[in-house]
Amino acid sequence: DSGVTQTPKHLITATGQRVTLRCSPRSGDLSVYWYQQSLDQGLQFLIQYYNGEERAKGNILERFSAQQFPDLHSELNLSSLELGDSALYFCASTPGTAEYNEQFFGPGTRLTVL
Amino acid sequence: AQSVSQHNHHVILSEAASLELGCNYSYGGTVNLFWYVQYPGQHLQLLLKYFSGDPLVKGIKGFEAEFIKSKFSFNLRKPSVQWSDTAEYFCAVRNDYKLSFGAGTTVTVRA
Repeated sequence: DSGVTQTPKHLITATGQRVTLRCSPRSGDLSVYWYQQSLDQGLQFLIQYYNGEERAKGNILERFSAQQFPDLHSELNLSSLELGDSALYFCASTPGTAEYNEQFFGPGTRLTVL
Repeated sequence: AQSVSQHNHHVILSEAASLELGCNYSYGGTVNLFWYVQYPGQHLQLLLKYFSGDPLVKGIKGFEAEFIKSKFSFNLRKPSVQWSDTAEYFCAVRNDYKLSFGAGTTVTVRA
């Protein structure tokens, strides 16, 4: 157990819908990262937040957005869902932003878009 | 753009065999290097990491990796694998705040 929690574990929805994935970082960790893991794209970095502010953006679609709240939990919002958005979504956390910080990964949310 | 290449997509070997997984990256500046493992149905876990110093890094569960700067490589090794090493292995390179992953190598260890 890494100390990072994600809910829900599984999510099944239809095309065109909107879903929210939730991540609670390890106690005291200020940085949260979101990743998408799919069979064709592999593990892709989506976005990072540090203490409530967006810090870095990766391959995140405009239909996707995220935020980090004052209690440091983060939510990833996926809208106008397409079949290709089916994937495993991981979040990870670190204490800060230093290069040497290890990222601790949550168990992931498996999203299936039908 | 920075990229991470893992040469083997799927490796199958028997218990007690030696394992070496290749990883090359394209970024020319200072990098931090990681190997993560994902056991079936579980989250990613850190096996080992390299930031500076001794290029031979020892990690958990008997794994080690060697950073060869001139070859832009960070290969993972284990002298004698066990059935429990069956998993997917990811090489990752950190640049700024972004962690870029390789495509992963599935390792299947036969008892």
